[in-house]
Amino acid sequence: DIQMTQSPSSVSASVGDRVTITCRASQGISSWLAWYQQKPGKAPKLLIYAASRLQSGVPSRFSGSGSGTDFTLTISSLQPEDFATYYCQRADSFPLTFGGGTKVEIK
Amino acid sequence: QVQLVESGGGLVKPGGSLRLSCTVSGVTFSDYYMTWIRQAPGKGLEWVSYITGSGRTIYYADSVKGRFTISRDNAKNSLYLQMNSLRVEDTAVYFCARSLNYNNWFDPWGQGTLVTVSS
Repeated sequence: DIQMTQSPSSVSASVGDRVTITCRASQGISSWLAWYQQKPGKAPKLLIYAASRLQSGVPSRFSGSGSGTDFTLTISSLQPEDFATYYCQRADSFPLTFGGGTKVEIK
Repeated sequence: QVQLVESGGGLVKPGGSLRLSCTVSGVTFSDYYMTWIRQAPGKGLEWVSYITGSGRTIYYADSVKGRFTISRDNAKNSLYLQMNSLRVEDTAVYFCARSLNYNNWFDPWGQGTLVTVSS
């Protein structure tokens, strides 16, 4: 099965900072990648799909890039409501798998 | 506004069974592919199972294959997960979620229902 590896596992940042999270697939998945945000005690929320497409209603400070095996989620200017855990997910075929998550914490 | 509401979670002994339900409102349920995803306490997300709108195509994670059964009743706008031979490692919050545009990314998700397997 294709494994998804996220880095870093956690990052400390301040409001206004640019934050970049990476996700690497063990095999090429073209652009079949999604990013989710999860806050404590809540369900995940879809941010980005097809590697770079912003889900409706998601602020434009979130962006995604990459294809093949290497992907990036960027938050251009971190806001207080962005402190959360972020997951990537391969979507090319089954079994679907998630990265281990990246926790964005307040510095 | 699409809403997904899970129910059926609870405490069960190892080897026991439980049936989860997910009721969907605000959309024509039969149009949508659906999935179950779980999250063990303090851990990451794990995909569990997936079903197409007609119910004709189904996939399972290896960790639950042969023990869990996904199904749907489009007349009742409901998705189900029958869980048999439960193990301690099945303890998790179980989320149902809707496929976006018939692809394998999901939005929205329900609030989740907690399944605890313990003696």
